[in-house]
Amino acid sequence: DAGVTQSPTHLIKTRGQHVTLRCSPISGHKSVSWYQQVLGQGPQFIFQYYEKEERGRGNFPDRFSARQFPNYSSELNVNALLLGDSALYLCASSFVDALFFGSGTQLSVL
Amino acid sequence: GQSLEQPSEVTAVEGAIVQINCTYQTSGFYGLSWYQQHDGGAPTFLSYNALDGLEETGRFSSFLSRSDSYGYLLLQELQMKDSASYFCAVQPGGGGNKLTFGTGTQLKVEL
Repeated sequence: DAGVTQSPTHLIKTRGQHVTLRCSPISGHKSVSWYQQVLGQGPQFIFQYYEKEERGRGNFPDRFSARQFPNYSSELNVNALLLGDSALYLCASSFVDALFFGSGTQLSVL
Repeated sequence: GQSLEQPSEVTAVEGAIVQINCTYQTSGFYGLSWYQQHDGGAPTFLSYNALDGLEETGRFSSFLSRSDSYGYLLLQELQMKDSASYFCAVQPGGGGNKLTFGTGTQLKVEL
């Protein structure tokens, strides 16, 4: 069975640009959450979606937005990129009490 | 708010037992989880404690004491492949996927 898949794996953008990251959860999982992980730190919660509805939002500016589609896949959008947005962006789907993470998208903002 | 503190680095030899501690300050939570992350990889779920006490999963065990605001991950029969970062995380009251992760512990297993 395929795990959580994310695309692209790596991305390089410049300040002020917009980026869209994509995630497909494990088949049968209806909840998707997004995390940002800066090098040397633990993942930080950005969003959770369940059945296409936002169920939680972390302490991130409005430049960050997300949505979930009828097939439970999800997109994370970041507008007006800043240097500080450079990080590994992780998507996770859940089953019971466990999160299953994808390999992430490494975003570099120059 | 919630904060979870872990030692930044732990070193142990192959075959040994190591304990990674997690102390937390939180207004309330549903459960304590542990995740492993190899360099360049995704976090992988290891263990979950909803109740106080010890949970055992193969070579890994996890412990929670809510009265002491403390938990730990115990790794037995250490192998070189266990060299990785380990994170504790709390799940807020009511469940959901909004985990708050700890500062992380880099485990180095030596021969």
